[in-house]
Amino acid sequence: DAKTTQPTSMDCAEGRAANLPCNHSTISGNEYVYWYRQIHSQGPQYIIHGLKNNETNEMASLIITEDRKSSTLILPHATLRDTAVYYCIVRVRVGFQKLVFGTGTRLLVSP
Amino acid sequence: NAGVTQTPKFRILKIGQSMTLQCAQDMNHNYMYWYRQDPGMGLKLIYYSVGAGITDKGEVPNGYNVSRSTTEDFPLRLELAAPSQTSVYFCASRDIGDTYEQYFGPGTRLTVT
Repeated sequence: DAKTTQPTSMDCAEGRAANLPCNHSTISGNEYVYWYRQIHSQGPQYIIHGLKNNETNEMASLIITEDRKSSTLILPHATLRDTAVYYCIVRVRVGFQKLVFGTGTRLLVSP
Repeated sequence: NAGVTQTPKFRILKIGQSMTLQCAQDMNHNYMYWYRQDPGMGLKLIYYSVGAGITDKGEVPNGYNVSRSTTEDFPLRLELAAPSQTSVYFCASRDIGDTYEQYFGPGTRLTVT
């Protein structure tokens, strides 16, 4: 599995966009980028995934660079409830899926 | 749907005691997982199951046992609890066809003293 590198922590003002980066320079051609988040003391929650095209859903947008070596998760209008640890995970999509959670990025959204 | 449920929410064990952490899902998912999360760390896979009657070890299986007699339930057994097993335990499930999302339970916070 490709390893990922994320900043330890980030701050964001409420209402502004939060841009969370992730480096995955050893990603393979069949590996997807997944994002999960974990709000304090709760189980992780799936946010979004992508292969090579940019993706958007009701929660966030995912921008993957053309060489696929890095990606950015964008929360367009961060709220206080978006304060959480965000995990970037790289994994093949099919078959048994073991998610390797690193330490993620702790995002603090402030008023 | 209740999703993934876990009981108990909290438990304190003495060293050497045993207990079973319960996990159930009502989504008819084939894949189920047990993770542990130590303070400030990411999740580590303990055991997983790809269907009823089939289980296998993850990264950190020592000190734990599992069984999967039904699709819905995936209990985790701790034998001879040790302080190193103090952690938060999360159960998760995933459908074979739903290959991008794991659904997690709320967790069980276990302290061994």
